Amino acid sequence: QLQLRESGPGLVKASETLSLTCTVSGGSISSSTHYWGWIRQPPGKGLEWIGTIFYTGTTFYSPSLKSRVTISVVRSINQLSLKLSSVTAADTAVYYCARLDYYDYYMDVWGKGTAVTVSS
Amino acid sequence: EIVLTQSPGTLSLSPGERATLSCRASQSVTSNYLAWYQQKPGQTPRLLIYGASSRATGIPDRFSGSGSGTDFTLTISRLEPEDFAVYYCQQYVTSPRALTFGGGTKVEIK
Repeated sequence: QLQLRESGPGLVKASETLSLTCTVSGGSISSSTHYWGWIRQPPGKGLEWIGTIFYTGTTFYSPSLKSRVTISVVRSINQLSLKLSSVTAADTAVYYCARLDYYDYYMDVWGKGTAVTVSS
Repeated sequence: EIVLTQSPGTLSLSPGERATLSCRASQSVTSNYLAWYQQKPGQTPRLLIYGASSRATGIPDRFSGSGSGTDFTLTISRLEPEDFAVYYCQQYVTSPRALTFGGGTKVEIK
């Protein structure tokens, strides 16, 4: 059974770079029929898509975050990572990784999420 | 950029009633690329519907999706106690490539 697990610091200082990792188990990140993505949810608010990657490294990002986001994969250890630079309090959220269907772009498996607070 | 507007923001209903949730896109959306999710407090979102009308694995048949173009609907035929939650629609566009979520509809017990 495929499982995703996010990890990383729960507290990041404003203006610094947020770095998170998502470890995929029970399946391969090198699947040719899936993308992998990051989504976030600020406290009490809705879901916001951050970006998506294919195992080959092809990425596409939210236009509103594109200038600050980098998503990458490390196939050898079945991990994807998220880096978000120049963070502010508005980046405080629960960050989820998810698997996406390659053809129809829906998210069928989600990690439990990791909470990140940006402190001043 | 396509904007998804969900309505109503909150739906107050009793168990056993029918729930009708709307997701309206600012531009036409390919039906294949429209999905619905359920999120309960403190939990991860769960895929309900993909391709506008296909139920995900394990989703009860009281959940159904319909629509095309700019107007999509999630219907819960008879609300069960475990259905009270927030529901999100999500779409994908090909050019430029991007995903978007709607703002969500909260279904609460009346």
